[in-house]
Amino acid sequence: TQLLEQSPQFLSIQEGENLTVYCNSSSVFSSLQWYRQEPGEGPVLLVTVVTGGEVKKLKRLTFQFGDARKDSSLHITAAQPGDTGLYLCAGARGGSNYKLTFGKGTLLTVNP
Amino acid sequence: KAGVTQTPRYLIKTRGQQVTLSCSPISGHRSVSWYQQTPGQGLQFLFEYFSETQRNKGNFPGRFSGRQFSNSRSEMNVSTLELGDSALYLCASSPQGGLASDTQYFGPGTRLTVL
Repeated sequence: TQLLEQSPQFLSIQEGENLTVYCNSSSVFSSLQWYRQEPGEGPVLLVTVVTGGEVKKLKRLTFQFGDARKDSSLHITAAQPGDTGLYLCAGARGGSNYKLTFGKGTLLTVNP
Repeated sequence: KAGVTQTPRYLIKTRGQQVTLSCSPISGHRSVSWYQQTPGQGLQFLFEYFSETQRNKGNFPGRFSGRQFSNSRSEMNVSTLELGDSALYLCASSPQGGLASDTQYFGPGTRLTVL
């Protein structure tokens, strides 16, 4: 059973476009993390959201945690080719993050 | 600080063999977690070690095992390899591993191919 569903699975856009990817679950998480993974590398943490309704911004990336702490979204403004990669969300429960539940990811390609 | 290192980076084995993968965490980190990543299932948690003790375990068969040494370095072993074990095996370290605020740092992974 996949506890975290990410959509879309694949996204190919042109440089300068905006996009949103989603991470949904029927379960409540104490925190949710977003990672980006590039080919041949391990995932790199982008942000952790903890409070329901929380919004965090990282340059052109905006992350939101749902009020009920069951879902999250990542919005990228004016995407650039350097944003290309696999975006993964991961949920932690009970205050512990060493057993993260990952979504399958959204593979984003930004074409020049 | 040096990042998480994993060796080897690539490995090819045949069915029935066993394999040992190694992970060196960031200096000072005491928690090491292992994950299996496949296109079909994504990233799945294998187990986590802290101070040489396995603290948590995912839903994998007993053929998957691990250990941690006193210097926090960790190894995982897969015995009687099956074709379905072909995957990218990722190791992640964190200072304590028990807090939502504790960031996990991933290594580049070991790509295992089972023929």
